[in-house]
Amino acid sequence: GENVEQHPSTLSVQEGDSAVIKCTYSDSASNYFPWYKQELGKGPQLIIDIRSNVGEKKDQRIAVTLNKTAKHFSLHITETQPEDSAVYFCAASTHTGKLIFGQGTTLQVKP
Amino acid sequence: DTAVSQTPKYLVTQMGNDKSIKCEQNLGHDTMYWYKQDSKKFLKIMFSYNNKELIINETVPNRFSPKSPDKAHLNLHINSLELGDSAVYFCASSQDHRIQETQYFGPGTRLLVL
Repeated sequence: GENVEQHPSTLSVQEGDSAVIKCTYSDSASNYFPWYKQELGKGPQLIIDIRSNVGEKKDQRIAVTLNKTAKHFSLHITETQPEDSAVYFCAASTHTGKLIFGQGTTLQVKP
Repeated sequence: DTAVSQTPKYLVTQMGNDKSIKCEQNLGHDTMYWYKQDSKKFLKIMFSYNNKELIINETVPNRFSPKSPDKAHLNLHINSLELGDSAVYFCASSQDHRIQETQYFGPGTRLLVL
């Protein structure tokens, strides 16, 4: 069935360093890949997304890459700040619109 | 102005009880969703409705019944609550499930079954 694997489950970096979170998906029909950030006690919030016709997308300090052949996609955060500390989720969906989420990565940015 | 709101925020109840969680969105979206987030933070879709019509119905016990009185509201009723139902339940909405765009999540309802 549909599955999204996300690694690592926890990530600790120093302020200013980069953070990378990686995901793989199983359904080759997946064509939409959003990333959500969930702060403590709040609902997930979209931070960036990428579609299957694009290999890379960047928004300020955040970038996402997609390798359709390998069924991999990754989130890159540069110049991390303490306010980047949160749980990050990758997800994948096909034309049905049903989002399959990864297991989440708890990112801690140490000042 | 809250885009997706849920009530209540916290719900503590006894096993066997029946409870409801309400969700409202003021974004004018056609599609609404219910997700369950377990203690390990795993997020899983339960249901989705598009303009009051059931679109997605995952393998969820019959004790869970969604109801959409209009496209701005999607409520979740749970019968005969069990210990394993303890979780955070999130409502979300998007413009249209056929257009893969942002899903906006509510703040969550933290359900604890004793």
